[in-house]
Parts: sequence; structure tokens; C-alpha cells
Amino acid sequence: DQQVKQNSPSLSVQEGRISILNCDYTNSMFDYFLWYKKYPAEGPTFLISISSIKDKNEDGRFTVFLNKSAKHLSLHIVPSQPGDSAVYFCAASPRETSGSRLTFGEGTQLTVNP
Amino acid sequence: KAGVTQTPRYLIKTRGQQVTLSCSPISGHRSVSWYQQTPGQGLQFLFEYFSETQRNKGNFPGRFSGRQFSNSRSEMNVSTLELGDSALYLCASRVGGQGKLFFGSGTQLSVL
Repeated sequence: DQQVKQNSPSLSVQEGRISILNCDYTNSMFDYFLWYKKYPAEGPTFLISISSIKDKNEDGRFTVFLNKSAKHLSLHIVPSQPGDSAVYFCAASPRETSGSRLTFGEGTQLTVNP
Repeated sequence: KAGVTQTPRYLIKTRGQQVTLSCSPISGHRSVSWYQQTPGQGLQFLFEYFSETQRNKGNFPGRFSGRQFSNSRSEMNVSTLELGDSALYLCASRVGGQGKLFFGSGTQLSVL
């Protein structure tokens, strides 16, 4: 049972444009959501997170939107840069204090073309 | 501050063998988690250790085990290796029971 799902295995965007990565979840107990970026041969690095008490969180070029009623979150990258090309993982946990058990999606390969 | 360090970086084993992977967390981090990444499966949670105690365990067979030492360093062991165990094994640490995880670069295990 895939509780966190990223339906798009890949996404290709032109440099300077907006990248939108999507994530759906099924477990209504999930309360805290994170996005990680992963380059080949490296471990995932934390990008941005959001708690369920918010519907939006911004950090520079990265914004995460949360729609709890639809059990959907998205990551917006504006403007996209070639260095953003990586695999992006969405992750969720029941509570921010619940410990390290994050449930990850399968990842979306983002390619930003110059 | 040094990041999460995993050794070895690459490992090749044959079916039936056993393997031990090592992880040194960021200094001051007491929680260590292990994840398995296979193509198309995302990251699957293996287990989490905090202050030398296993606090959480994922849905993996008993062939997968781990431990944490008093200095927070952790090891995971896989016995009787199967072809399907070929994967990238990632270790992550955090200060305590909350906050974001910091990942190491992983150990790429190939089982032949």
C-alpha cells in the first residue's frame, strides 16, 4: 500500500520557468510533510517542510503548498535552474515529533534544460 | 561540522553471505535511521535507533538487523543475502525525536 505517491516519474522544464512537482497521500494521520532533493551518488538533502497547520511555506525559490482536504501537496520552484536537475522525493510522517519514520514517495526526476 | 558518514561506499557480495554496513552520525545527533532505496520503490524505512535502543522498525525480514553504540555510531547487518537485497542503503541522523533528517551518501550493495 503506497501511502505517499508521486505520480510523475519525470518532469522536464525550461530554465527560468516554473517547476511544479506533485505528491498525494492516503494516510489521514500524516501531519508533517517534507521535500528532499537527491543527486546521483549522493544522499537526499532536505529542501523544505510544512506542517498541517499551514497551507503554504516558502524558502527562497521553493514553495510548498498543502491541500489537506485533497491530501495533496506540491513543490514549486521558481525560477528553475539547471542545477535543480535531480530526483525530488516527497515524504510524510504522522507528527513532527513522531521520530524518524518518514514515508517516502517514489521520487520525480526533474530535468531543467538550459 | 562533518556530515553523516557511511562506509563502505560500495560493496559486492554473493548470495548467502552476510554484510555489515557502518554509519557515523553528525556529532551531537542521537537518532540514527536506516533506509533502503531500490529503483521504483522510493526509500523504505528499515529501523531507527535512539540512545542505543531500537525505537521503530519497518516491514523487513529478520535477516535485517542493526545496533547503535554509546557514541551514537550505528551498524546494520544483513544475513543470508538474497539478490533482491541489492540496493542503496542510506543512513540518516537527527538530534532527537523531531526535526529533519540528515542523510549520508549511502552504501551501494550489489548481491551477485
